[in-house]
Amino acid sequence: GENVEQHPSTLSVQEGDSAVIKCTYSDSASNYFPWYKQELGKRPQLIIDIRSNVGEKKDQRIAVTLNKTAKHFSLHITETQPEDSAVYFCAASNGQGAQKLVFGQGTRLTINP
Amino acid sequence: EPEVTQTPSHQVTQMGQEVILRCVPISNHLYFYWYRQILGQKVEFLVSFYNNEISEKSEIFDDQFSVERPDGSNFTLKIRSTKLEDSAMYFCASSIASYQETQYFGPGTRLLVL
Repeated sequence: GENVEQHPSTLSVQEGDSAVIKCTYSDSASNYFPWYKQELGKRPQLIIDIRSNVGEKKDQRIAVTLNKTAKHFSLHITETQPEDSAVYFCAASNGQGAQKLVFGQGTRLTINP
Repeated sequence: EPEVTQTPSHQVTQMGQEVILRCVPISNHLYFYWYRQILGQKVEFLVSFYNNEISEKSEIFDDQFSVERPDGSNFTLKIRSTKLEDSAMYFCASSIASYQETQYFGPGTRLLVL
């Protein structure tokens, strides 16, 4: 089955700097890759997703890139702000049936003021 | 904006007891999911549900677990005889379709088995 690896497990950056979180997946049939942000004690909330027919997607300060050949995708946050501090999870799905999301281990991002 | 809701927010139970976790998916969504997250760990898929039947289930979802959509709005997860290792946050999610569609998560039920 699908396996998603996420790195780093913790990331600390200065406010205003960029943050990059990387994920790799094992199932070449995976075609949908969402990123969720989870604040302490709250629900995971989708921040951006990418489908396998594109290589990059951007939404204001957040961008995601996908390399299907290498089976990896990355989250890029620019001009980081204190409210970006949270745990970020990547996930992958192969879209078969009622698709299950397979999550990475999570990255705890801390933005230092 | 419509949201997935879950009740209760917290549940404490004794080992061996049955618990039912309730979810109200977003009203026009057709696909429903349960995930769990043990404290400090990643979110893990339990089961997906469509058209009143299970579409897929994980190895975690053994005979002690069941799901049901008893009416047009609720979606429940039952754990028949809870174990200590069932302690986790349980998230319900729903999506309007399945293929490459966003799954929206509820706020979760924190289950503590003593």
